[in-house]
Amino acid sequence: DSGVTQTPKHLITATGQRVTLRCSPRSGDLSVYWYQQSLDQGLQFLIQYYNGEERAKGNILERFSAQQFPDLHSELNLSSLELGDSALYFCASSVASAGVGTEAFFGQGTRLTVV
Amino acid sequence: SQKIEQNSEALNIQEGKTATLTCNYTNYSPAYLQWYRQDPGRGPVFLLLIRENEKEKRKERLKVTFDTTLKQSLFHITASQPADSATYLCALEKTGSARQLTFGSGTQLTVLP
Repeated sequence: DSGVTQTPKHLITATGQRVTLRCSPRSGDLSVYWYQQSLDQGLQFLIQYYNGEERAKGNILERFSAQQFPDLHSELNLSSLELGDSALYFCASSVASAGVGTEAFFGQGTRLTVV
Repeated sequence: SQKIEQNSEALNIQEGKTATLTCNYTNYSPAYLQWYRQDPGRGPVFLLLIRENEKEKRKERLKVTFDTTLKQSLFHITASQPADSATYLCALEKTGSARQLTFGSGTQLTVLP
């Protein structure tokens, strides 16, 4: 158990809908990362927060947004969903921000299926 | 553009042999390089981290090398076991204003009994 909790584990929704994925980082970790993993692609970095502030942005679509709350949990919002958004979405956390040699701890992921 | 490439999508080896996985990168100057293991349907698990000024790092049956001139890292598993079968991912940390942890696409290792 990594200590990172993601909910829900599975989500099935229709195209055009909006969903929210939730992540609780390990106790004491200030950084939260979101990644998308499709069948034909590796882990694609979406966005990183550190202590409530956005720290780095990857190839995140404009239809996607995220935030980190004062209690350090994070939510990833996906809107106007398309079939191609079906993927595993991982949250990871670390003590420090990326770039200082800090290992990341991953949750078990949320499997999103858009039908 | 920046790219991280891991050797062949799949690697099969016989139990007891040494598995060697490769991670090459271009247009990066990472300060740190990490290796993770991922089992099907599960999140990646951290294995080893090596700094740019370190040549080699070991942990039990695992060994990582980091050559910043060649822009390459090698990941070795000695005395491999079927339980080592998984996908192995390398990840690069960038420093500065664009700090992020970026992953390669992974190499699927199968250790045959």
